Amino acid sequence: GDSVTQMEGPVTLSEEAFLTINCTYTATGYPSLFWYVQYPGEGLQLLLKATKADDKGSNKGFEATYRKETTSFHLEKGSVQVSDSAVYFCALLNSGNTPLVFGKGTRLSVIA
Amino acid sequence: SQTIHQWPATLVQPVGSPLSLECTVEGTSNPNLYWYRQAAGRGLQLLFYSVGIGQISSEVPQNLSASRPQDRQFILSSKKLLLSDSGFYLCAWSLSGEYGYTFGSGTRLTVV
Repeated sequence: GDSVTQMEGPVTLSEEAFLTINCTYTATGYPSLFWYVQYPGEGLQLLLKATKADDKGSNKGFEATYRKETTSFHLEKGSVQVSDSAVYFCALLNSGNTPLVFGKGTRLSVIA
Repeated sequence: SQTIHQWPATLVQPVGSPLSLECTVEGTSNPNLYWYRQAAGRGLQLLFYSVGIGQISSEVPQNLSASRPQDRQFILSSKKLLLSDSGFYLCAWSLSGEYGYTFGSGTRLTVV
């Protein structure tokens, strides 16, 4: 079945450091890919998405490019802030009504 | 605009007691609805999803059940809670999954 694998956390970075959170997927067909963010004590928020190969999703300084050849959707940000501390989930969707498949989440802590 | 409401925000229940968590969506019709659980330090586990009134798909066999008595209402229930039912419960909705899910703010359930 479809699956998402993302790097184990926690990831601890200093403010203004470069962030990469790796995400790879296994799926038949051409899934849509997503990154969600969960701030402490809250629900999940959609951060960005890409629906086809070579698409780049971006939001709030975060970017991820849909790489079909490497089945990856790595999340990047050039300069993290303390306010970016959260848990980040990579997810895929393979067809309209089937549920999203989530990775296990990566906790990011940014220290001043 | 569409909104999702989930309550209560926090709940402490004794082992063996019943449970009812409610989720409602406003501003849309015939949404797909989802219940997820997030146990401490773990990823998201899909519990139930529904593509229409009275249509419930169960992903994980356990002592929880779900119902959809109205188009925009999704209820998670249990007749007798177990300690292992503790966790953060998230409701979500979507129209077409390619646009992602919108999550509620979650219910933190502690079974004591």
